[in-house]
Amino acid sequence: EVQLVESGGGLVQPGGSLRLSCAASGFTFSSYWMSWVRQAPGKGLEWVANIKQDGSEKFYVDSVKGRFTISRDNAKNSLYLQVNSLRAEDTAVYYCAKSLVGATLRAAFDIWGQGTMVTVSS
Amino acid sequence: AIRITQSPSSLSASTGDRVTITCRASQGISSYLAWYQQKPGKAPKLLIYAASTLQSGVPSRFSGSGSGTDFTLTISCLQSEDFATYYCQQYYSYPPFTFGPGTKVDIK
Repeated sequence: EVQLVESGGGLVQPGGSLRLSCAASGFTFSSYWMSWVRQAPGKGLEWVANIKQDGSEKFYVDSVKGRFTISRDNAKNSLYLQVNSLRAEDTAVYYCAKSLVGATLRAAFDIWGQGTMVTVSS
Repeated sequence: AIRITQSPSSLSASTGDRVTITCRASQGISSYLAWYQQKPGKAPKLLIYAASTLQSGVPSRFSGSGSGTDFTLTISCLQSEDFATYYCQQYYSYPPFTFGPGTKVDIK
């Protein structure tokens, strides 16, 4: 079964850090662009970052540049998001998502994890 | 960044109704558009990609059309399990890959 399972969320104070993880199974992880997408409580979806198959290219939404770092370990079939300098507006469910087509980053997201909640509050 | 708008923001419908949701991009995105369905507390589910291609396993009552800047998602005969929020997303121009604000479909 193709599956993504996120972990690492929690309650953190403003300015704090977390490392989110996403464990992939059931597909050749190293062949696909991967993304993080977040959803603030009661709000819509916001794409956060993505990473190329070999980790050589990464893109971020402007609001997280310099604070968040996406990475992957293909040997462990895992995707990561290091989130630093957290703000209240970063409070959201964070989903990892797999690109439908492996060869290009211009692809829809066909597999999503169940999400991990990050709450930034003092 | 490309801006995506959706209309309506919400609608009430009955089972068996035909429902149409519109998505508009602030500039041309060819056919690089996807539609997702999300139910409360669940992850989004891909319904349609490349504007009109039905994802495997998605019922044929869902269809998509459009190219350039204007797109539609149609549910031909609304079923009880279709009550959800629907999002469109452009993946033509990056970063960012922008989502629309969503359309909530609830029971009339």
